[in-house]
Amino acid sequence: SQTIHQWPATLVQPVGSPLSLECTVEGTSNPNLYWYRQAAGRGLQLLFYSVGIGQISSEVPQNLSASRPQDRQFILSSKKLLLSDSGFYLCAWGTGGTYGYTFGSGTRLTVV
Amino acid sequence: AQSVTQLDSQVPVFEEAPVELRCNYSSSVSVYLFWYVQYPNQGLQLLLKYLSGSTLVKGINGFEAEFNKSQTSFHLRKPSVHISDTAEYFCAVTPSGGYNKLIFGAGTRLAVHP
Repeated sequence: SQTIHQWPATLVQPVGSPLSLECTVEGTSNPNLYWYRQAAGRGLQLLFYSVGIGQISSEVPQNLSASRPQDRQFILSSKKLLLSDSGFYLCAWGTGGTYGYTFGSGTRLTVV
Repeated sequence: AQSVTQLDSQVPVFEEAPVELRCNYSSSVSVYLFWYVQYPNQGLQLLLKYLSGSTLVKGINGFEAEFNKSQTSFHLRKPSVHISDTAEYFCAVTPSGGYNKLIFGAGTRLAVHP
């Protein structure tokens, strides 16, 4: 069966520090991968999606970047965090419209 | 392009009462529709989905939803809620027939009170 792993679960980082969040998928190949952010009291904001290795599409301009170095690995990064980067980050994968997405358990990022 | 509107940002309800969470969508093509649930500090979990066929779809945890093409709606219902149903609920849409991104609504926070 397919599983998706996301870590860490919780992260507290100072302003100006770097960030690396990792997401890996098991049990499937060539998945479409997504990074979402939820700010407090707000809905889901799609940040990046990837349809293959090295292929990244950015949905909104921001302080973050994404990379896909392997088929089932998706990384969210920042060189210097801002206070506004705080939020709940979710990774998801999907292979076809009828199946929707499968989400990871999320990372709670607090920038202080 | 598709869009989703969840008409209520918060829905308070007493335990064992029925509940309806409303979702309307906009699309010029046929769509697949989904409802997801998010418990505090967790990822989203698929509740149910409409792909085609019967317009009444049953999902997990006693939830069901009805697809109404003429009203472009996909409302989520449960006849009797439990405290454990307290969560955020998201409606999502994607064009049918092929792979496309899901478009999510802003979410509805269901608060079940004893």
